[in-house]
Amino acid sequence: QVTLRESGPALVKPTQTLTLTCTFSGFSLSTSGMCVSWVRQPPGKALEWLALIDWDDDKYYSTSLKTRLTISKDTSKNQVVLTMTNMDPVDTATYYCARTPGAGYRYFDYWGQGTLVTVSS
Amino acid sequence: SYELTQPPSVSVSPGQTARITCSGDALPKQYAYWYQQKPGQAPVLVIYKDSERPSGIPERFSGSSSGTTVTLTISGVQAEDEADYYCQSADSSGPVVFGGGTKLTVL
Repeated sequence: QVTLRESGPALVKPTQTLTLTCTFSGFSLSTSGMCVSWVRQPPGKALEWLALIDWDDDKYYSTSLKTRLTISKDTSKNQVVLTMTNMDPVDTATYYCARTPGAGYRYFDYWGQGTLVTVSS
Repeated sequence: SYELTQPPSVSVSPGQTARITCSGDALPKQYAYWYQQKPGQAPVLVIYKDSERPSGIPERFSGSSSGTTVTLTISGVQAEDEADYYCQSADSSGPVVFGGGTKLTVL
């Protein structure tokens, strides 16, 4: 079955760089059409899409955050990594990775359980 | 990028029908998707491509589209349906956009 799991630090200081890893199983990111995204959710607020990487290594970013984000993949390890620079307390959120099953339609059929990242000095 | 607008809250009694709307200028050209999120849990896909229901999602969940508005309908609402619901849309190469979410309260 398809599973995704996020990992990374629970606490980062302002101005630091956050690195999160999504480790998945049950599918391959080398399969045509397959994608993995990062989505975050500040406490009590709405979901916000951050970035997407596809099977062909094309990358797409949130317009408002693109200067701070980098997404990459390691197909052999079944991992997708997100880095976010210059972290600020407003970036405190639960960060999710999620799978897009492909076929040109960007939606998320499987999600990780999420990891809470707190930005505080 | 564009926006998707949802009502902040919807309330219904058990057994009634709940309708949650999502409006956006891009919706006539792009599919909409709906997610259910219960407290402390990850979102769950309940409707894709405007009106398709993933396997395992109860038949009481349905979706429809008309112009710039899509609607999630929950027929015969049950207490377990109380949750936040988010619409989402995207084209094949552009950004992914979520609505602001609607809190469904089952009275």
